[in-house]
Formats: sequence, C-alpha cells, structure tokens
Amino acid sequence: AQKVTQAQTEISVVEKEDVTLDCVYETRDTTYYLFWYKQPPSGELVFLIRRNSFDEQNEISGRYSWNFQKSTSSFNFTITASQVVDSAVYFCALSDSNYQLIWGAGTKLIIKP
Amino acid sequence: KAGVTQTPRYLIKTRGQQVTLSCSPISGHRSVSWYQQTPGQGLQFLFEYFSETQRNKGNFPGRFSGRQFSNSRSEMNVSTLELGDSALYLCASSLVGGGGEQFFGPGTRLTVL
Repeated sequence: AQKVTQAQTEISVVEKEDVTLDCVYETRDTTYYLFWYKQPPSGELVFLIRRNSFDEQNEISGRYSWNFQKSTSSFNFTITASQVVDSAVYFCALSDSNYQLIWGAGTKLIIKP
Repeated sequence: KAGVTQTPRYLIKTRGQQVTLSCSPISGHRSVSWYQQTPGQGLQFLFEYFSETQRNKGNFPGRFSGRQFSNSRSEMNVSTLELGDSALYLCASSLVGGGGEQFFGPGTRLTVL
C-alpha cells in the first residue's frame, strides 16, 4: 500500500535555527513523484518542490533544501536559518501509479522570534 | 496569470441538504483535482477530472460527485450532507495532471450543522 509518514507532528524552534522535517514513504511503484507543500495559516497549499523517483539529486533553493534517499525511502526537507514567516504546516505527498496524491499528516512548524 | 479560484469561500449548511462548490483552474490547465481536509483524516483525494472526464476517484461515498465543463471549470457536489462532511475542500489545477505540479485554490470551508 502507498503511504506517507511524517512522524513529527509539531516542531518549535527559535528563529535562525536550522530545522529538518522528515518524510518517509512506502510504495511498490518504481516510478513515482514526491512533493512538499506548505500550508500557511491562510489555508492555501503552496507548492514547494516535486521530485521524480529517478532523480536522487539533492536540491537547494535559497534557504530550503531537500534530501531524497531511495535506500531509506525518505524525502527530508531542511530550512536553514529559519524565519518567523516559515511558520506553517508542511505536507509531504506521494503521487502513486494512478497519479493520486497521497498525503502525510503534516508537520506543524512554529518559528519563535 | 490568475490563480485557482474557489467559490464560495465559506458555507454553512444543515444535515440532509446538498451543496455545490465551484473551482476555476489556472488558464490552460486541463486537470482539476478535489481534496477534503479535516483535522481527523487530514488531506484526502476525492477525484480528478481531465478534459471533462473523471480520471481518478478516491475512496468516498457516492454522495460526493463532480463534473468538469468544457472551459475546465469544475464543480463538486455533496448530497445528503452529514456532520462529518464539515471540512475544508481544496481544488487543485494542473497542466496535465498525473505527477505534475498541482496549484491549489484557497479552499471552501464547509460547516454542516
């Protein structure tokens, strides 16, 4: 069965600290896509990154970076030098062979000033 | 380019009533997906429409239905509302659907009394 696990329900850090959000997935498909979305208090889901199963290169975008490891079925997300505006719920998702998005439960990130 | 719009933003209904939610995708996008978000169940896939055809369906009862028009706008209907249908309903548009990036609207907050 396809499954996405975000074990961290809530993380609280002080501004400027680095923080890593964990995502572990399960799938039998050899071709799949992984995503991260951000949901600020306004409620609208904001796309952050998409990664296909054949591309294990890590990616960096400004203060955000992603570490994809097929060997451990993980797709972790790191925010460097966190800011208060990073406070949100972050979701990891898996697109299965039917192209349905299967979502993790989300990690609520609180950045304290 | 205008983003995904959803109307109405808020709805209050009573048990047994029916409701129709509307979603206008980003211009040029042919895929529209619907999701239900609740505190207990998280984000769950409802269905996806592509070029007026339902391409995928999640595990929801037949009370939940949808359609897509020739201009890619989509509607979602819930009949015989139950208290458990209270949720944030999110619509996402994508150029081709599948494993592509999905862009979300602000959602419709449905409250069933």
